Amino acid sequence: QKEVEQDPGPLSVPEGAIVSLNCTYSNSAFQYFMWYRQYSRKGPELLMYTYSSGNKEDGRFTAQVDKSSKYISLFIRDSQPSDSATYLCAMSAKFAGGGADGLTFGKGTHLIIQP
Amino acid sequence: DVKVTQSSRYLVKRTGEKVFLECVQDMDHENMFWYRQDPGLGLRLIYFSYDVKMKEKGDIPEGYSVSREKKERFSLILESASTNQTSMYLCASSSTQGARGYTFGSGTRLTVV
Repeated sequence: QKEVEQDPGPLSVPEGAIVSLNCTYSNSAFQYFMWYRQYSRKGPELLMYTYSSGNKEDGRFTAQVDKSSKYISLFIRDSQPSDSATYLCAMSAKFAGGGADGLTFGKGTHLIIQP
Repeated sequence: DVKVTQSSRYLVKRTGEKVFLECVQDMDHENMFWYRQDPGLGLRLIYFSYDVKMKEKGDIPEGYSVSREKKERFSLILESASTNQTSMYLCASSSTQGARGYTFGSGTRLTVV
């Protein structure tokens, strides 16, 4: 069983829709959770960062963590064509340093917002 | 704005060539990483470094080496490039203290012919 599972998509939705992106994980020690956005031919950029369980909101984006289910979600409201990108989840047990404390990434979900 | 800068966006090299990919960060981060990213395989860790002159193997170190002579610079070396090393290479850095995840460079798209 892989440590982090993420549906690769593509996920195609019309502009203005609410998007839900998800990851499941198996390591109960994970407590730092991140979402990265990666545009085509660019490096990933940190979009959302949460610690432990709960919700975090930033503009149109909401990150949700359910540690009891080992499940994290990213919601995008009022989706725009500029949101079209690959979204990678990432998580770690400790600070996002190196070695055994490093981040474990999902493979990414390719999201397409249709104008 | 803090940055991780990779020296080349696109590179084309011949099989058997020695290839150097350079990465520089201006955030005084302790940790630096080299990943390759391939369709369907996601990010795979090649090497990382948690201090100057220190290096650790990641998941796929074969065919690669690294050098970190200064804190801000982390180089990836392909000793003898092969076609199966055609990929997107991403450098990242992080702070042990900051707990803010990794900052990535824009990537180098390497094609080995």
